[in-house]
Amino acid sequence: KAGVTQTPRYLIKTRGQQVTLSCSPISGHRSVSWYQQTPGQGLQFLFEYFSETQRNKGNFPGRFSGRQFSNSRSEMNVSTLELGDSALYLCASSLGGARYNEQFFGPGTRLTVL
Amino acid sequence: EDQVTQSPEALRLQEGESSSLNCSYTVSGLRGLFWYRQDPGKGPEFLFTLYSAGEEKEKERLKATLTKKESFLHITAPKPEDSATYLCAPKPDSWGKLQFGAGTQVVVTP
Repeated sequence: KAGVTQTPRYLIKTRGQQVTLSCSPISGHRSVSWYQQTPGQGLQFLFEYFSETQRNKGNFPGRFSGRQFSNSRSEMNVSTLELGDSALYLCASSLGGARYNEQFFGPGTRLTVL
Repeated sequence: EDQVTQSPEALRLQEGESSSLNCSYTVSGLRGLFWYRQDPGKGPEFLFTLYSAGEEKEKERLKATLTKKESFLHITAPKPEDSATYLCAPKPDSWGKLQFGAGTQVVVTP
């Protein structure tokens, strides 16, 4: 069974631009969660989607948004990029039917903001 | 919000030198816990789910145990390929939100 895939793997943007990251979950998984990982803050939860609906959201500004499609694929968007948005962005998929399902992570997208 | 503390922050081991990592947490009610391993620049890799106090899980040289307030990850006779950052996270009480500890960075030298 194929794992979670994320595209692109690396991205370089400049301040003020916007970016869209994509995540394809494991087949049959309906929940996708997004995380930001930085050396200083560690792994921080952004949001979670299930059946095209956002069920939960972390403490990030409104510049961070996401969506999920009917095939469970998900995208996250960051508008008006800031230097501090440089991070590894990870998505994780799970079955989603229960809060306690294990999450399986993709390889991440490394975003650098110049 | 759950508080998750992992110790030590870093661990340097000789190949074959067994050790233990700790994950302690304050949660409203024990719901179980996940362990992950992360290699540099990669996504976390799922290792174990522990469901209740007293439970143990094993995988190769790793054994995870759970009490009401903490979990241990024992690494027995480690090899260099066990070098990674090990992360723990209590099972979430809200949808999709895993709250990870800061991790223990393990380096195993030949």
